[in-house]
Parts: sequence; structure tokens; C-alpha cells
Amino acid sequence: SAVISQKPSRDICQRGTSLTIQCQVDSQVTMMFWYRQQPGQSLTLIATANQGSEATYESGFVIDKFPISRPNLTFSTLTVSNMSPEDSSIYLCSVEFRLDTEAFFGQGTRLTVV
Amino acid sequence: GENVEQHPSTLSVQEGDSAVIKCTYSDSASNYFPWYKQELGKRPQLIIDIRSNVGEKKDQRIAVTLNKTAKHFSLHITETQPEDSAVYFCAASTGGGNKLTFGTGTQLKVEL
Repeated sequence: SAVISQKPSRDICQRGTSLTIQCQVDSQVTMMFWYRQQPGQSLTLIATANQGSEATYESGFVIDKFPISRPNLTFSTLTVSNMSPEDSSIYLCSVEFRLDTEAFFGQGTRLTVV
Repeated sequence: GENVEQHPSTLSVQEGDSAVIKCTYSDSASNYFPWYKQELGKRPQLIIDIRSNVGEKKDQRIAVTLNKTAKHFSLHITETQPEDSAVYFCAASTGGGNKLTFGTGTQLKVEL
């Protein structure tokens, strides 16, 4: 089965700084998404990462805060910019290998902002 | 947009008993309903899913039922085991790329 790798797995960052999270898949995927899971909470979709074009953001999330890149069919990055303690969460990438099939998740990045 | 409600938030059962988790959704255009299991510190793992053209789907001890008219779907786990203890999330999607809206989660505890 395909492997979805996220880096880093965890990080502790100072407020005001930025962190870029990488999601690498070992085979081509049709769709890539980024979710946030706040401590003890459910998953909330941040955006759809579109290959070669700007990401599609959900209500409440903006590009300036969460810039996303997807240069090809196997890789995406999410940056959490100008971090505050409220950004402390688990960030997960999710992929769909074929359109309208099940979504698989990376192992997540546990971010703590101090 | 879509809204998914999930109940109960916590569920404690004795080993061997059945567990049922229920979800309702708001968008009648939703047509795909997966269930994920998330163990502590781990990624969500798909355990079963159902599409709107099917009323029920079963995989060994796990089953999901869907009532499109009432806009609700349920997860049924029979003969529960301690390793079933985890947080379970339901989700809904209108398809065309599974942009999922998740329920709030159910903490299932299977006691010996």
C-alpha cells in the first residue's frame, strides 16, 4: 500500500515564527487536502491543495495565514505563518488516489506554539 | 455548508456487547459517508464507508447503515473487543474529491 509521509512529526515553535509542513506520497494522487485537529477535537478542513494552482480555502482559513503549495502529484506543503498559541494543533494531510475514492491520512504534525 | 452531528460523545460498553454510534447530516447532496477510527496519537484510519446508493454495508464485525430520507447514518460494532477502544469519527462528502466534513467524534471504551 502507498506511503504518506509528513514532516516534521512534531515541533515546538516560538510565537511569531512560521513552520512549513511537508506531505510526500510515494505514488501519484488525484486530490490532496490539509486538515487541522485541535486538541481533543474533530478534524476541520483547511484547504484543498491544487496541483499547479492556488489552493482552495475553506471558510475561516486564508492564504496569508496558511499558504499551501502543490508543485506536483505527489507532494504538498502547508505553512503556518506568524504563529500564535491558538495555532497549536495537529495538522494532517489527506490524499485521494483516485477521484471519489477513500481518503487516507498522513501521520500528522503535532505543533505546539509557545 | 454541510454540518455533521455525532452522538454519543462517549460510549462505554462491556467486552462482547454491541456499540452503536449515530450521525446526522444536513446537506442532502452528500453522497459519501466514511467512518474513521483514531487511536491515541495515531492518524485516522478508514474502517468502513458507504455511498448513497446503498442502504447498508457490512465488514465482519462492523456495519454501517444509511437512511437518506432522514439524513442519518450509523456505525454498528458487534462483539466488541478491547482493541476497539478509540475515537470514532463519522464524515460526509458531496463527492467530486472527498472534501470531508467530520462529526465531533465518539470516544468508545470497551471494558473487560
